[in-house]
Amino acid sequence: DTAVSQTPKYLVTQMGNDKSIKCEQNLGHDTMYWYKQDSKKFLKIMFSYNNKELIINETVPNRFSPKSPDKAHLNLHINSLELGDSAVYFCASSQDRLSPGGPNYGYTFGSGTRLTVV
Amino acid sequence: AQRVTQPEKLLSVFKGAPVELKCNYSYSGSPELFWYVQYSRQRLQLLLRHISRESIKGFTADLNKGETSFHLKKPFAQEEDSAMYYCALGTSYGKLTFGQGTILTVHP
Repeated sequence: DTAVSQTPKYLVTQMGNDKSIKCEQNLGHDTMYWYKQDSKKFLKIMFSYNNKELIINETVPNRFSPKSPDKAHLNLHINSLELGDSAVYFCASSQDRLSPGGPNYGYTFGSGTRLTVV
Repeated sequence: AQRVTQPEKLLSVFKGAPVELKCNYSYSGSPELFWYVQYSRQRLQLLLRHISRESIKGFTADLNKGETSFHLKKPFAQEEDSAMYYCALGTSYGKLTFGQGTILTVHP
């Protein structure tokens, strides 16, 4: 069973469209994240949810809206897609977010969603 | 604000040679550092955490607070080590700040 699964794996869409990426984890983790990996492979956090509550919201355009219906799911909806949104989006989850030195700190990543806006 | 720098975007070595992937960080708090690896067509996975002082797949990393570094080392590189390596700094909010990544290529 895949621990953190994202759908779709690839997404090609036109500018101006609205799209969603879904993420599900079956690890029982309380915290989920969205990261963006740009064309230079730089990974940057976008959002973090803990038990359906938003706890990290980095400087991200309002066109990006995360939604967490339950702690096992964190979806990312993007409105009015722009060319610069093209990237790989990674979902991740973690069991312990409060103790960086603890044994359960650290992420389990999904396989990524490659979004191409044309 | 926290920051992680990996100065080498690409690193090439021959099989059996030593390899060192550099990582420097900037953080006002007590740092918790990690190395993540992404093999071709696979997801990112945790390789090492500094608190564990462990050796995974022959890799080690030592936190040097004086030099604010957490370099990843392996004495004898193998072809299967070829991958993208990310250094990351953790905070108590669960946020990981990643470096820019280093693509390691081990030639036969």
